Amino acid sequence: DAGVTQSPTHLIKTRGQQVTLRCSPKSGHDTVSWYQQALGQGPQFIFQYYEEEERQRGNFPDRFSGHQFPNYSSELNVNALLLGDSALYLCASSMGQSQPQHFGDGTRLSIL
Amino acid sequence: RKEVEQDPGPFNVPEGATVAFNCTYSNSASQSFFWYRQDCRKEPKLLMSVYSSGNEDGRFTAQLNRASQYISLLIRDSKLSDSATYLCVVNGGADKLIFGTGTRLQVFP
Repeated sequence: DAGVTQSPTHLIKTRGQQVTLRCSPKSGHDTVSWYQQALGQGPQFIFQYYEEEERQRGNFPDRFSGHQFPNYSSELNVNALLLGDSALYLCASSMGQSQPQHFGDGTRLSIL
Repeated sequence: RKEVEQDPGPFNVPEGATVAFNCTYSNSASQSFFWYRQDCRKEPKLLMSVYSSGNEDGRFTAQLNRASQYISLLIRDSKLSDSATYLCVVNGGADKLIFGTGTRLQVFP
């Protein structure tokens, strides 16, 4: 039973570029959340998708957008990349509200 | 004030010691609480949920005090493999998890 899978593992981009990160949830999970973790900090909630809709959003600008597909997988898109977007991007999936979320290995994004 | 506050540590303890971490949260309406463990450059992994009555899983005991908005994690008989960052996590509503910055634990021989 595959857990949460994310791709790519690492990515290097330059300022101003755009990036797309991908996530497949754990089997049986229908909700996908995205988090940004800067070095030395806890993960910060970006947004959550359920039934292909953005259900909740954290304090992130509109440059951060996402999508959920009918098979529950999800994408995170970031436009106009800034140096400060360098971080570990984590995807987590869950089944239902208030259930523990399970994290993927993350995508490490570096902006030059 | 941060929504979830933890002492960042590090806590340096010898093998076999008992160590306790505390965490406070600001939203009194929070309903779900968790401790996650994160190893260096790895993803967070669920250690345990925290229930109102307190709960234990082997050497780990979690407690919740809703009146004081305070969560704790006790680790007994520390092992070298317990060295990690422990993240206090509060459900901020509709599955939005709010993480503390984490408390770093280093267990030495």
